[in-house]
Amino acid sequence: QVQLDQWGAGLLKPSETLSLTCAVSGVSFTGYYWAWIRQPPGKGLEWIGEINHSGYTNYNPSLTSRVTISLDTSKNHFSLNLDSVTAADTALYFCARGHGRFQFWGQGSLVTVSS
Amino acid sequence: QSVLTQPPSASGTPGQRVTISCSGSSSNIGKNTVHWYQQLPGTAPKLLIYTNTQRPSGVPDRFSGSKSGTSASLAISGLQSEDEADYFCATWDDSLTAVVFGGGTKLTVL
Repeated sequence: QVQLDQWGAGLLKPSETLSLTCAVSGVSFTGYYWAWIRQPPGKGLEWIGEINHSGYTNYNPSLTSRVTISLDTSKNHFSLNLDSVTAADTALYFCARGHGRFQFWGQGSLVTVSS
Repeated sequence: QSVLTQPPSASGTPGQRVTISCSGSSSNIGKNTVHWYQQLPGTAPKLLIYTNTQRPSGVPDRFSGSKSGTSASLAISGLQSEDEADYFCATWDDSLTAVVFGGGTKLTVL
């Protein structure tokens, strides 16, 4: 079955770079979009961006200057980098498969930004 | 402020029917399909309804979706205590070239 397992540093200082990776198993990257979504504590969901199997990306306009999503098909994983983090980037981060219709999700990674 | 507007809360008693609305615009709901998610505390959202009205395998038929113009709705009939959760709508926005979510609706089963 399709499984997404994510990992990355959970505690960052302001101005550091957030890096998360999502390993995909049970399905090929081909034909799908792969996304990152976050949820600040007690708040709603925010789409960060997506990448398809060809490496084509779309990013949230409010984050585009700081976000990079990349894909490594040889390792079956995709990654999120978010530069120059602040306390406002503190959130539960999810990876997911889809382009609005997110059928499969990672387990979530809590990232806290604090000095 | 979310691009899609949902009521922050909704409630009902067991057995009742509850609807949750999701209002957008011509650049998002007006042109694209809507998906709904259920999220229990501390867990990843679960796809509840996709492409306006379709239920993934395993989702009870008590859950149904509809769309008209620039708005969509999620209906839950025969409300059960385990339906108490947060519900989010989502769609693609052609102007933003981004996926947009509603702010979420917290459903309480009284």
